[in-house]
Amino acid sequence: EADIYQTPRYLVIGTGKKITLECSQTMGHDKMYWYQQDPGMELHLIHYSYGVNSTEKGDLSSESTVSRIRTEHFPLTLESARPSHTSQYLCASSIPGLASQYFGPGTRLLVL
Amino acid sequence: AQSVTQLGSHVSVSEGALVLLRCNYSSSVPPYLFWYVQYPNQGLQLLLKYTTGATLVKGINGFEAEFKKSETSFHLTKPSAHMSDAAEYFCAVSARNAGGTSYGKLTFGQGTILTVHP
Repeated sequence: EADIYQTPRYLVIGTGKKITLECSQTMGHDKMYWYQQDPGMELHLIHYSYGVNSTEKGDLSSESTVSRIRTEHFPLTLESARPSHTSQYLCASSIPGLASQYFGPGTRLLVL
Repeated sequence: AQSVTQLGSHVSVSEGALVLLRCNYSSSVPPYLFWYVQYPNQGLQLLLKYTTGATLVKGINGFEAEFKKSETSFHLTKPSAHMSDAAEYFCAVSARNAGGTSYGKLTFGQGTILTVHP
């Protein structure tokens, strides 16, 4: 059983607010990922990290930023939330060389 | 660049009937192939994966998928649907590097919502 956690699960916030979505995993995985998923749509990779102090932009452009100071922690930050940021954000992790990714439960974000 | 196409955004079956969810990929080299399931308000759970070797892969909950290189397909099947199988299913691929292992990044299909009728 994979242990990857996301908080909060649901967030409703006003335009212009700064938010941080938390993601933590206890499996010691080096690789971590953030996906954005709109209702009824596929997942789009927005950020990934291959280890501490490593972060890369994904396939879908995003105004969010990420950091990887510790192996187990990969937070995503929006400096100024907008309604266009309304979506579900999924965090995942994997072991190098193995493609299987383990997903957290997701954070549903609603920006008013 | 690789891509994934899932044929049919919605599939509806009766309980006990065969489940067939279609997935085709586009890649210059056969990639790693995955099926994930997503239940409402939850993250994705890995059902099964193909990396190398036997082309018929068995997964959890009675699902299986067959990798067909000539057809660039990886269709998901289950002989008898249960009500609990109702969910959204995603096919995904990950490119192989020169050493044959995965780069790690996944490309997902659009998803197929499976409905199971009593």
